[in-house]
Parts: sequence; C-alpha cells; structure tokens
Amino acid sequence: DAKTTQPPSMDCAEGRAANLPCNHSTISGNEYVYWYRQIHSQGPQYIIHGLKNNETNEMASLIITEDRKSSTLILPHATLRDTAVYYCIVRVHNTDKLIFGTGTRLQVFP
Amino acid sequence: DAGVIQSPRHEVTEMGQEVTLRCKPISGHDYLFWYRQTMMRGLELLIYFNNNVPIDDSGMPEDRFSAKMPNASFSTLKIQPSEPRDSAVYFCASSLGTGRDQPQHFGDGTRLSIL
Repeated sequence: DAKTTQPPSMDCAEGRAANLPCNHSTISGNEYVYWYRQIHSQGPQYIIHGLKNNETNEMASLIITEDRKSSTLILPHATLRDTAVYYCIVRVHNTDKLIFGTGTRLQVFP
Repeated sequence: DAGVIQSPRHEVTEMGQEVTLRCKPISGHDYLFWYRQTMMRGLELLIYFNNNVPIDDSGMPEDRFSAKMPNASFSTLKIQPSEPRDSAVYFCASSLGTGRDQPQHFGDGTRLSIL
C-alpha cells in the first residue's frame, strides 16, 4: 500500500493561502490521491482528488508533481472555518479502501 | 440532497449490553463503509459492502462485532457484548459506483461510550 507522509501541524493566517504538502513516493501509476478534512466532532469531508493532472474545485486546488511522488493541497483564501485535520490518502490499488494516516492539523488564526 | 445519516448520534451504555448502530447511505450509492475512530488508532476501516454484500471485513476487531446490510438503504453495526475498549466514534460512509475515482461521503458519526 502506498504510504503518505504529512507534517503533523501547520498554521496559516486568515485570508492567506494554505499550502498543505503530502509525500507519496511509493504511489503506483493508477492510484489516486484523495484529500479529506475533519473538523472537530464531524465526519471526514471529501475535498478533492486527482490522478496525474492538477485539479480545482470550489473548495481547493490539488497540485500533483510530474513524477507523482508528492502533492500539495491549496486553500486559496483560508478562513477560520478551515481549521481542521487534513488527510492525504492514496487509494489502495484495486480496492475501494481508504487508509487514513494521522493527517496535518491546520490552525487558521485571525 | 440528504447525506449519510447515522443514528444515534450518541450512545452511552454499560459493559455487556448489546449496541446497535444504524446507517442510511446516500440514495443510489452502492458502496457502504463502516469506520471506527479512536485517539490511539485514528480512523480505521472495519468493513465495507457492495450492493449489500460484505466485501472485506478484515478490519472487524473480533467476533463481538457484526455488520449487516439488509437492503440498499440501511445498514447496522452491532456489538454484543460491548466492552469499555469499544468506546469510539463510529462513522458510516457511502460511495457511488466502483473504481478509484469515486469519493466516499461520511456521516457525522455515532459517539459510543461503554461504561
């Protein structure tokens, strides 16, 4: 199973871009990168996913390096409500499993 | 659109009692997942179903745990007998279709406390 490595915590000023890195050096060619977040006392919330190309939706942008060994989740204008634990997940090859790691705790401050 | 609905939101019961957690997936979704979250072990997949059939139950901790999906709109996770170490937040998630391009959508969980 491809493993991911994320920093345990990050801070970001409100209104600034939050860039959350993730390393997944053992990812296979057909494995997707998924990002979820979990706000305190809630279930994990799907943010975005990608395979090779960069992706953008109403919540965030996902930048995947050309070798696919790392990616960055970008929240363009962080708000206090973006304070959460962010999980980078590589979906297990040929299964429907998501293996959650310990994630990055993002603190957005005023 | 309604998301994944779990009940109850909170459950407190005494050791040895039977506990039943319930989940209603998003309408039309054919995959359903049960997870458990604790401080020590994080978020763990317990079991998942496809078209109401259990596909992988390798994460179920022991025989005291069982899960069923009698129809496409309802699933239960049962613990009998319950023990204090079962205290955790249990999440249900569902997804549409197969393959690695379909996100899972989670409910808000059931916070279970076994005294």
